[in-house]
Amino acid sequence: QVQLKESGPGLVQPSQTLSLTCTVSGLSLTSNSVSWIRQPPGKGLEWMGVIWSNGGTDYNSAIKSRLSISRDTSKSQVFLKMNSLQTEDTAMYFCARNRRGMMPWGQGTLVTVSS
Amino acid sequence: ETVMTQSPTSMSTSIGERVTLNCKASQSVGINVDWYQQTPGQSPKLLIYGASNRHTGVPDRFTGSGFGRDFTLTISNMEAEDLAVYYCLQYGSIPFTFGSGTKLEIK
Repeated sequence: QVQLKESGPGLVQPSQTLSLTCTVSGLSLTSNSVSWIRQPPGKGLEWMGVIWSNGGTDYNSAIKSRLSISRDTSKSQVFLKMNSLQTEDTAMYFCARNRRGMMPWGQGTLVTVSS
Repeated sequence: ETVMTQSPTSMSTSIGERVTLNCKASQSVGINVDWYQQTPGQSPKLLIYGASNRHTGVPDRFTGSGFGRDFTLTISNMEAEDLAVYYCLQYGSIPFTFGSGTKLEIK
């Protein structure tokens, strides 16, 4: 059974760096791609970026300068790092497998940017 | 960036009704469109991939269609469990982009 689970700090101070981990099970990262998506409270979905099965990455141009996605295939983990956080980055952050659609999604982790 | 415009923003519907949701791309994306369903407090769930392919386990009352710029999700016989927000996603070009969603409510 394929599962993804996000983990992270919950609260981040403005201007600081966010680090999130997506731990996957039931799949290999060398043959599956993983996207990060976020959703501000009460708002819609925003695709952030993807790490492809070959390790290459693509990012949303709106946040590309602040964002980095990487992985550790031996630990079945995908990482998201985003710097210079502001209050508008407060959101639920999801990871999802990309393969004939994004499915499954993790349960999400809520990140609040506040001092 | 390809902008995905969903319509309507919200819709009041009745159980048993046929519902049509629309998504229009600002440029051609071929068949590279998915549809997702999100109920309150839950992660989105994939309904349709590649414009018209039903994901495993999705009831056949959900049908996707379209090509190029215009896409449709049809629910043939609305059920109470279908009350949710529906999003389209294009992955024909980077960055992938979601529509702003259509919220289905009970009339």
